[in-house]
Amino acid sequence: DAGVTQSPTHLIKTRGQQVTLRCSPISGHKSVSWYQQVLGQGPQFIFQYYEKEERGRGNFPDRFSARQFPNYSSELNVNALLLGDSALYLCASSSRDRIERFFGPGTRLTVL
Amino acid sequence: QKEVEQDPGPLSVPEGAIVSLNCTYSNSAFQYFMWYRQYSRKGPELLMYTYSSGNKEDGRFTAQVDKSSKYISLFIRDSQPSDSATYLCAMANLYGQNFVFGPGTRLSVLP
Repeated sequence: DAGVTQSPTHLIKTRGQQVTLRCSPISGHKSVSWYQQVLGQGPQFIFQYYEKEERGRGNFPDRFSARQFPNYSSELNVNALLLGDSALYLCASSSRDRIERFFGPGTRLTVL
Repeated sequence: QKEVEQDPGPLSVPEGAIVSLNCTYSNSAFQYFMWYRQYSRKGPELLMYTYSSGNKEDGRFTAQVDKSSKYISLFIRDSQPSDSATYLCAMANLYGQNFVFGPGTRLSVLP
């Protein structure tokens, strides 16, 4: 069974640009969460979606947005990129009746 | 005070040693406790999952939860160089909406 997949693997952008990151959950999982992990720190929660509805939002500015599609895949969009947005962006999926989250390999975003 | 605290290390031990990793937390609503292992530049991998207080063992790994002290531990027996990674504790409330990670402890097991 395939795990959580994310694309692209790496991304380099310049300040002010916009970026879209993509995630496909484990088959059968309907919930997707997004996390930002800055080097040397633990993952910080950005969004959770379940059945295409936003179920939670972390303390991130409105430049960050996300959506979930009917096939439960998800996109994270970040507008007006700042240098501080450089991080590993992690997607995690979970099933309805379980708490634990299973993570993808991440997308490493570098903002120059 | 941060919700979840963890000694960032780095922690270096010789191969075969018993490793103890710990987290403390402040939110008494946390009911689910997890440990993740993260290799450099990879996504976190779920190692252990515990509900409420008590112990859980899986091979060389033992997770302990003491809710009265708001303290959780992960023990690794017979540590191997392949255990060298960052270990993240994570915890969640009853419905999983508040799912929080600690900052991680970097472990090096020296051959």
